[in-house]
Amino acid sequence: AQTVTQSQPEMSVQEAETVTLSCTYDTSESDYYLFWYKQPPSRQMILVIRQEAYKQQNATENRFSVNFQKAAKSFSLKISDSQLGDAAMYFCAYRSAYSGAGSYQLTFGKGTKLSVIP
Amino acid sequence: ETGVTQSPTHLIKTRGQQVTLRCSSQSGHNTVSWYQQALGQGPQFIFQYYREEENGRGNFPPRFSGLQFPNYSSELNVNALELDDSALYLCASSSRPAAEAFFGQGTRLTVV
Repeated sequence: AQTVTQSQPEMSVQEAETVTLSCTYDTSESDYYLFWYKQPPSRQMILVIRQEAYKQQNATENRFSVNFQKAAKSFSLKISDSQLGDAAMYFCAYRSAYSGAGSYQLTFGKGTKLSVIP
Repeated sequence: ETGVTQSPTHLIKTRGQQVTLRCSSQSGHNTVSWYQQALGQGPQFIFQYYREEENGRGNFPPRFSGLQFPNYSSELNVNALELDDSALYLCASSSRPAAEAFFGQGTRLTVV
């Protein structure tokens, strides 16, 4: 079974600064997807960024980028030019590329609470 | 195009009772997944429905059951509620099982 570990329960960042959230995972599979989701107080999970394991290039989405280290099974999220609206819970998630049982379930970490200081 | 909607938003039930939570999938989506998110934890996969059939199940007891209807909306039923069932229940829909999942805002269930 796959596991996802987020070792930072809470982080804070000054507005306009850069912050990096850490995530490690354990899997025996070679092909999979990794995700970062944001969960604001509204509770809705919002996809921030996605990385395919077969792609060596790190994914970027505007101010959000990842550092994907496949051999180390590490997947960190960097938020640049932090904004007040970035304050939320951030969850790292894993999903297999193939499903023998039919479903493509997400396995989540426990989350990191990010606070943005004005 | 409407997103994923869940009802009710909040619910309080007594231990031993039964509860039904509802999810309307996003237009054009035929796959619905349910997750349980306990306080301070990440979501845990309960099960997935694809074209009205259960398509995979997580490590949850049989008292957690579900349905998917011809319009692809879905229900999550929990029987014999326990205090530990208190959680946020999230529904996610996608255009197929392997496609990106879009989440609703969840139902907060409190069991007393």
